[in-house]
Amino acid sequence: AQSVTQPDIHITVSEGASLELRCNYSYGATPYLFWYVQSPGQGLQLLLKYFSGDTLVQGIKGFEAEFKRSQSSFNLRKPSVHWSDAAEYFCAVGGSGNTGKLIFGQGTTLQVKP
Amino acid sequence: NAGVTQTPKFRILKIGQSMTLQCAQDMNHNYMYWYRQDPGMGLKLIYYSVGAGITDKGEVPNGYNVSRSTTEDFPLRLELAAPSQTSVYFCASSYSGRILSYNEQFFGPGTRLTVL
Repeated sequence: AQSVTQPDIHITVSEGASLELRCNYSYGATPYLFWYVQSPGQGLQLLLKYFSGDTLVQGIKGFEAEFKRSQSSFNLRKPSVHWSDAAEYFCAVGGSGNTGKLIFGQGTTLQVKP
Repeated sequence: NAGVTQTPKFRILKIGQSMTLQCAQDMNHNYMYWYRQDPGMGLKLIYYSVGAGITDKGEVPNGYNVSRSTTEDFPLRLELAAPSQTSVYFCASSYSGRILSYNEQFFGPGTRLTVL
């Protein structure tokens, strides 16, 4: 069965520091991978997605993610964090079949220190 | 374009009451989804629909019902509310679920439901 694991429930970084959020997935075929961000009291917004091709994908707000098939990982990175990046981040994998269903990880809460 | 809208934003129910959470999208998306979000649990799929008149169960459908009479609307019904249904509910839509064009899901702002 497909699954997504985000090992870090809560991460705190200083403003201006680099960030890496981890995501590991379990999926039998080529995965379709997504990162979403949820600001407090808001819905989810897509940061970036990977379907195929270049394993380093660029997203909005200066985020990028790298797909590593050998490690079953799709980690999210940002070189310099801004206070406005404080939010909850979700990794998701596309399910099988033509339904568009997504399976979400548990989420990682990012706190940014001034 | 309003995107995906949800009403109400907040609601408190008593045990055993029923209610309908409304969801509408104006993007002509054929795929729609209902999720619930509980702290530390991520999002769990309740029901989804691949087009008007077609719905199917997700991961956690018990206690809920849906209908899809139009492309735009996808209401979620709670018949006998229970404390375990206290959660934040998100509706989402996407243009297509086809494997070759796995499209982004657009999310509504959510409904925060408390059952006491």
